[in-house]
Amino acid sequence: EIVLTQFPGSLSLSPGERATLSCRASHSVGSNYLAWFQQKPGQAPRLLIYGTSNRATGIPERISGSGSGRDFTLTISRLEPEDFAVYYCHQYGSSQRTFGQGTKVEIK
Amino acid sequence: QVTLKESGPALVKPTQTLTLTCTFSGFSLSASGMRVSWIRQPPGKALEWLAHVDWDDDKIYSTSLRTRLTISKDTSKNQVVLTMTNMDSVDTATYYCARETSSSEGYYYMDVWGKGTTVTVSS
Repeated sequence: EIVLTQFPGSLSLSPGERATLSCRASHSVGSNYLAWFQQKPGQAPRLLIYGTSNRATGIPERISGSGSGRDFTLTISRLEPEDFAVYYCHQYGSSQRTFGQGTKVEIK
Repeated sequence: QVTLKESGPALVKPTQTLTLTCTFSGFSLSASGMRVSWIRQPPGKALEWLAHVDWDDDKIYSTSLRTRLTISKDTSKNQVVLTMTNMDSVDTATYYCARETSSSEGYYYMDVWGKGTTVTVSS
């Protein structure tokens, strides 16, 4: 099983600031097989990024993904009020799919 | 528009079997390149993938829960059913189903989720 470790566990930032979230895999993940989800309290996760860097439908350009091998990054270039949430990375390259433990982006 | 909705009991007793139904619209699970997954999330914790079923009835289960899970599909009803045996308090969670679609490169990813259903295991 590929273990995904996200860091930091939480980020305290102000609107307009840049957020950089990291996800490290215990084994190499094919670049096509890494996704990011956003989850707000009481809501289901929403797909942001798939295939490491492809934005899902309706996701703004300020949200981007990058990485390869074992290290992946989600970047939000300028935080908007609606971006404060928990973010999960997810690998689907192996038959046993796994999620990271999440990074909470809080308003400073 | 693709939608999925989970349904099932809100409360089950320890040792009982949980049966959850995912009813979907906007796509067909008999169409090539479609898949439905089940994922759960204990209160305040991370997401955990449980199982998926493909359009061709191929099924994969979480290794840690394999002996307790059964997933099946009814394409005529647009439903996917997940059963989990021998429920315990640690299985208390919100259970989600999600549609997976296949990219042009042939890999699947979860693109649309249901709102989830909360299951509490307690006597």
